[in-house]
Amino acid sequence: AQSVTQLGSHVSVSEGALVLLRCNYSSSVPPYLFWYVQYPNQGLQLLLKYTSAATLVKGINGFEAEFKKSETSFHLTKPSAHMRDAAEYFCAVSSGGSYIPTFGRGTSLIVHP
Amino acid sequence: DADVTQTPRNRITKTGKRIMLECSQTKGHDRMYWYRQDPGLGLRLIYYSFDVKDINKGEISDGYSVSRQAQAKFSLSLESAIPNQTALYFCATSEADSSSYNEQFFGPGTRLTVL
Repeated sequence: AQSVTQLGSHVSVSEGALVLLRCNYSSSVPPYLFWYVQYPNQGLQLLLKYTSAATLVKGINGFEAEFKKSETSFHLTKPSAHMRDAAEYFCAVSSGGSYIPTFGRGTSLIVHP
Repeated sequence: DADVTQTPRNRITKTGKRIMLECSQTKGHDRMYWYRQDPGLGLRLIYYSFDVKDINKGEISDGYSVSRQAQAKFSLSLESAIPNQTALYFCATSEADSSSYNEQFFGPGTRLTVL
């Protein structure tokens, strides 16, 4: 069985501040982990993915995430928020034979000027 | 550009009506999925298909059916729509190659309102 918990349905930051979006996963086998972003009125697109290579994964738009097995976490960070980063962010885990992903409930990132 | 398209983009219907949402893709992917998104609940899987002859139920298949007409087309039907099926519906695709890790490619979504 696999599951994902995203802590905080909304995160609010000022432009230029650090962004930290939290994701914890549960999986009985080594997982693959993903962060997707959904801009208003659009579908989801991949930000980055962890596939058992490097534990620190760099994605698009300056985002990165670190896989920490001991903490079962895959938190998403960005050093300096931009207004254009305002969106919904989803963490997802896939594992097991078919690798069907399970998505978290999402975190809405609000960026203030 | 290779893409995932959904029609219609918006639909308002009444309780008891039959509704079909269509998804087409030009990515050449074998795997296709239907999800629904509700505020605060994230994305939940309705059905998925690994090829034309393979259809599988997801987490919340009750009240829905699907048809995989071709590799590129995957339709979702609501036989008798009810108000709690009001949601944003997404189609997605992925490659069958294990090296893709089942990364999902999403369509733009269909916003369905059932009155």
